[in-house]
Amino acid sequence: DIQMTQSPSTLSASVGDRVTITCRASQSIITWLAWYQQKPGKAPKLLIYKASSLESGVPSRFSGSGSGTEFTLTISSLQPDDFATYYCQHYDSYPWTFGQGTKVEIK
Amino acid sequence: QVQLVESGGGVVQPGRSLRLSCVASGFTFSMYGMHWGRQAPGKGLEWVTDISYDGTNKYYADSVKGRFTISRDNSKNTVFLQMNSLRGDDTAVYYCAKDGADWGYGPRGGAFDIWGQGTMVTVSS
Repeated sequence: DIQMTQSPSTLSASVGDRVTITCRASQSIITWLAWYQQKPGKAPKLLIYKASSLESGVPSRFSGSGSGTEFTLTISSLQPDDFATYYCQHYDSYPWTFGQGTKVEIK
Repeated sequence: QVQLVESGGGVVQPGRSLRLSCVASGFTFSMYGMHWGRQAPGKGLEWVTDISYDGTNKYYADSVKGRFTISRDNSKNTVFLQMNSLRGDDTAVYYCAKDGADWGYGPRGGAFDIWGQGTMVTVSS
């Protein structure tokens, strides 16, 4: 199985900060990677698919990059609505697996 | 609007069974694969199983293989998760999710673009 490792596990930041979350795969997944945002008590929301494609309706301050085994999710200017937990997920080969999550907290 | 509504969760004793349902609306259900994922209390997300748009192909996580069965009824826009031999570590919120690609092909195939609100399953004696 492909293991997904996110860093950091927790991130403290202020409104307006540029935030970067890293996701590493245990083997190459080319660009078969998605990013999700989840708020407490709510279902996840798709932000990015195929590593860098922005889902329709998602603000342009979110961007994704990377290929192979290393990927990043960047929020260019953190907004109050962005405080949440973020997960990466690969869909290269079964079983699909998620990273353990990165919680973005208010500094 | 596009919507998924799960039902069937509850409290069940270890070893017993439960059947979850997920009713879809707002899109052509028969064109899309469907997934079930889960999230144990305070933990991260785990993919559980998925089924192709026509029900032909099904895949399972090792943790549920042989105990859980996914199925769908395209005439009723519904996907099911039959859970047998339930264990304590199956306790979680169970989400159904729509696959991102019609017919399963394309760059969104394997990404989950619409999620239901979740249904809680608690396995406890």
